[in-house]
Amino acid sequence: AIQLTQSPSSLSASVGDRVTITCRASQGISSALAWYQQKPGKAPKLLIYDASSLESGVPSRFSGSGSGTDFTLTISSLQPEDFATYYCQQFNSYPTFGGGTKVEIK
Amino acid sequence: QVQLVQSGAEVKKPGASVKVSCKASGYTFTGYYMHWVRQAPGQGLEWMGWINPNSGGTNYAQKFQGRVTMTRDTSISTAYMELSRLRSDDTAVYYCARNIAVAGTGCDYWGQGTLVTVSS
Repeated sequence: AIQLTQSPSSLSASVGDRVTITCRASQGISSALAWYQQKPGKAPKLLIYDASSLESGVPSRFSGSGSGTDFTLTISSLQPEDFATYYCQQFNSYPTFGGGTKVEIK
Repeated sequence: QVQLVQSGAEVKKPGASVKVSCKASGYTFTGYYMHWVRQAPGQGLEWMGWINPNSGGTNYAQKFQGRVTMTRDTSISTAYMELSRLRSDDTAVYYCARNIAVAGTGCDYWGQGTLVTVSS
């Protein structure tokens, strides 16, 4: 199965900061990658699909890039409601998730 | 509006089976694959498999093959996930999630989650 390695596993940031989370696949997956935000006690929320397409209703401060094995989720200006855990998911033949990145308040 | 409504919490003994339902509304049930994902307490997300509601075809994560069965009833727009031979480490919240499109990569709608507790 394809493994996804997210980094960092956690980070502390301030409101207004630019935040970058990376996701590396153990083999090439083209653009078959999604990013999610999850808050405690809630289901995940889709942010980015097909590696770089912004899901409807998601603020434009979220963006995704990459293809092949290396992917990035960027939050251009962190807002109070963005403190959460973020996951990547690859959609090759057997989908898998990354381990998650917890974004905490500095 | 699209909604996925899951069945309620379950408490099971080790060795038993559990069947979780996911009732879809607001869209054409047979037009979108349905995934099942679980999350153990304090842990990350784990993909279990998907079902094609149109054909009934399935694809299970290797870890769950032989223990999981995903089915659907198109007459009531409901997907099911049954996990057998439960162990304590199967205690988790189980989610159903709709694939965004036929060829898209992402799950755009999620159920509210069903807590399954396995305890003797």
